[in-house]
Amino acid sequence: GQQVMQIPQYQHVQEGEDFTTYCNSSTTLSNIQWYKQRPGGHPVFLIQLVKSGEVKKQKRLTFQFGEAKKNSSLHITATQTTDVGTYFCAGYMGIVSGGGADGLTFGKGTHLIIQP
Amino acid sequence: GAGVSQSPRYKVTKRGQDVALRCDPISGHVSLYWYRQALGQGPEFLTYFNYEAQQDKSGLPNDRFSAERPEGSISTLTIQRTEQRDSAMYRCASSLAGVMNTEAFFGQGTRLTVV
Repeated sequence: GQQVMQIPQYQHVQEGEDFTTYCNSSTTLSNIQWYKQRPGGHPVFLIQLVKSGEVKKQKRLTFQFGEAKKNSSLHITATQTTDVGTYFCAGYMGIVSGGGADGLTFGKGTHLIIQP
Repeated sequence: GAGVSQSPRYKVTKRGQDVALRCDPISGHVSLYWYRQALGQGPEFLTYFNYEAQQDKSGLPNDRFSAERPEGSISTLTIQRTEQRDSAMYRCASSLAGVMNTEAFFGQGTRLTVV
């Protein structure tokens, strides 16, 4: 079945260090979305990437979509305590990639822990 | 309301009982999704609707799970003859159009505990 794998599962950083999480799909994606979930909260949309090789920036966050549209990454520069949470990628397979569940397929997430 | 509303927030039920979880999406949102999220895991797709039509239910674990959205707005996820393994956070999300084009807004979820 369709799988979206995300690494690492946990990442401990010192405040001010950079952080990167990686997402890989077993099938080509139509688009990929990134969500952030604070402890005790619900997933909140960050961004959607659609085009092959696309790069988008939001302040200290940089999102990339691979050329083959099978992988993506989120990079945070100079982490702050407000960045704490779990970051999920969610891939949409679309009809072209062979069907299956039509909703977003979420990775297991990367838990970002920041030490002051 | 301003966001996706789910009720109840918490539900404790005895094994074998039926439960109904409610989702009230953002007004005007066409698409509605149900996900299940285990502790420390990402949301797992269950099913989704466009308006009142159930587009895909392939993520439902078995035939004890069903969902409806009869008037294209509020949706109910029903679990019959609950089992302990059904315990999880059940999340509803809605989006303005199909998932291809717009972000999904999640509700606070219903924490189901089967004892």
